[in-house]
Amino acid sequence: EAQVTQNPRYLITVTGKKLTVTCSQNMNHEYMSWYRQDPGLGLRQIYYSMNVEVTDKGDVPEGYKVSRKEKRNFPLILESPSPNQTSLYFCASSLWSGKLFFGPGTRLTVL
Amino acid sequence: DAKTTQPNSMESNEEEPVHLPCNHSTISGTDYIHWYRQLPSQGPEYVIHGLTSNVNNRMASLAIAEDRKSSTLILHRATLRDAAVYYCILRSSGGSNYKLTFGKGTLLTVNP
Repeated sequence: EAQVTQNPRYLITVTGKKLTVTCSQNMNHEYMSWYRQDPGLGLRQIYYSMNVEVTDKGDVPEGYKVSRKEKRNFPLILESPSPNQTSLYFCASSLWSGKLFFGPGTRLTVL
Repeated sequence: DAKTTQPNSMESNEEEPVHLPCNHSTISGTDYIHWYRQLPSQGPEYVIHGLTSNVNNRMASLAIAEDRKSSTLILHRATLRDAAVYYCILRSSGGSNYKLTFGKGTLLTVNP
């Protein structure tokens, strides 16, 4: 089944403790991206990647890192999480400018 | 960045058609118009996309203005399951900017 998976689905952590949210797709998509969703602010893009080793900033990249070492994986790294990064995170992938497939979301709480 | 403008909310009655508008006056020739929707407590899902011509699929229709500066998503017979936030975005198929801006979308309420 074609899908985008994210892990973990739920995470509660403390300020400053490094964490990684994984994203994986099985559709051989070139484009992958991360979004955060906060009440009243809609979906905002954090980072995106056009292909292996090619990444670029979205609208809200501060406090996040990404890597794209393999085509199928696009992890989101929070080196020193802060409470303002408490949010619902979505990963998505697509072929170039084709339709986006979204993951199920990761709800992150930073205390 | 190519941005879109949508009404914050719209209301419809069940089994009636719904026309959701989107303005994108700065669209470029290589931008596709995409629509997604997000049901409560779920991730966004693809609805439809197009470049210049009107498009139909099993979920909806997309009407694109001749100058491409606006588009309309048409749900032919709204059901309660269509209540969601609908997002209109532009996706570049050329150039160097592949950043995506979703905005807040349009919250569609469907009345029984």
